[in-house]
Amino acid sequence: GAGVSQSPSNKVTEKGKDVELRCDPISGHTALYWYRQSLGQGLEFLIYFQGNSAPDKSGLPSDRFSAERTGGSVSTLTIQRTQQEDSAVYLCASSLLASGIYEQYFGPGTRLTVT
Amino acid sequence: DAKTTQPNSMESNEEEPVHLPCNHSTISGTDYIHWYRQLPSQGPEYVIHGLTSNVNNRMASLAIAEDRKSSTLILHRATLRDAAVYYCILRATTNFGNEKLTFGTGTRLTIIP
Repeated sequence: GAGVSQSPSNKVTEKGKDVELRCDPISGHTALYWYRQSLGQGLEFLIYFQGNSAPDKSGLPSDRFSAERTGGSVSTLTIQRTQQEDSAVYLCASSLLASGIYEQYFGPGTRLTVT
Repeated sequence: DAKTTQPNSMESNEEEPVHLPCNHSTISGTDYIHWYRQLPSQGPEYVIHGLTSNVNNRMASLAIAEDRKSSTLILHRATLRDAAVYYCILRATTNFGNEKLTFGTGTRLTIIP
């Protein structure tokens, strides 16, 4: 079946502009996660959703970052007033439920470059 | 969160078995042991997970020590496509806020043709 999809695959933006990154989870998965991976760095957690609620936003690096999920499906990660340090690959994952029992399935990522 | 310790890198010859170790001495009784891998220029990929018993799937096997303080991911016959960074991650099932994956540095596996 269809996996997790993300769009765009690549985004180049100027410093100070806002960007929106989209994630379509696997159908029926109630949990959705956002991570990011900076060049040569490890993967860091940003936020997760169970349904449309975000119980854990602890990984969002600043108030310029926000995310929403509607209809228990698609999620959008918005970065306002982008900075060069925001350049990274942003990864989305989904899971049947938000529990350590279930595996997460990752999308291909959105590579964001801030010039 | 309970931590895991993995070797930074390993090498293996193509078509031979690979044993990737992971130590997790502070694991709690309800923590699941998950393995993910990340191929070059791709997102992480789920490999396998288990709680107490050894597990097998089409990709790999997971051997869990009797005291659960260590585990080993076994690739039965390595191919060049298995070259990746392998992450061993503990995931709690009882504590709110532990649903995320916390990635360490993992083991970079190189396959020698």
